Amino acid sequence: RKEVEQDPGPFNVPEGATVAFNCTYSNSASQSFFWYRQDCRKEPKLLMSVYSSGNEDGRFTAQLNRASQYISLLIRDSKLSDSATYLCVVKGYQKVTFGTGTKLQVIP
Amino acid sequence: DAGITQSPRHKVTETGTPVTLRCHQTENHRYMYWYRQDPGHGLRLIHYSYGVKDTDKGEVSDGYSVSRSKTEDFLLTLESATSSQTSVYFCAIKEDFFRENTEAFFGQGTRLTVV
Repeated sequence: RKEVEQDPGPFNVPEGATVAFNCTYSNSASQSFFWYRQDCRKEPKLLMSVYSSGNEDGRFTAQLNRASQYISLLIRDSKLSDSATYLCVVKGYQKVTFGTGTKLQVIP
Repeated sequence: DAGITQSPRHKVTETGTPVTLRCHQTENHRYMYWYRQDPGHGLRLIHYSYGVKDTDKGEVSDGYSVSRSKTEDFLLTLESATSSQTSVYFCAIKEDFFRENTEAFFGQGTRLTVV
């Protein structure tokens, strides 16, 4: 089983739609969680950290479920500019593991 | 944007030749990392550095070496390039690995093709 797993997609959604991605992790001792965004042929950039109580940043909501060992990212009112690959990142004691990413394509 | 640059941005090289990639930062961050990104794999850590002349191996270090003689520069060397090392290489910097929720900043990437 991979340490961090994501559905590769692509998720094709119309503008204005709500879309959610999940990411599962295998190490129950994982400490910190993040969502990064990567545009095509560009470097990854931090989208948001994921806090235990869940957190929101504008149209983006991140949640952590430690019992089931997954994190989620919800995007409301999708924009064309949201089209990208979203990487799940899990940090353990001395190791950071990246998921392979979920590709989102927002369609006009 | 964080001050981190990679050079070269693109390179084509022949099998068996040595190749050096450079990562330069102006943020004075202690931690520097080299990752490779391949289809079907997440970013995989090659080597990292936690200070000048302090480096350690990551999960895919075979065939690679690194050096950090100055805080701002972290070099990745492919000792004898092979086709399996064709990839996109990203450098990253981080102020403090252990502090919760500190952000890693990535360079623009180097596309390396080994023919």
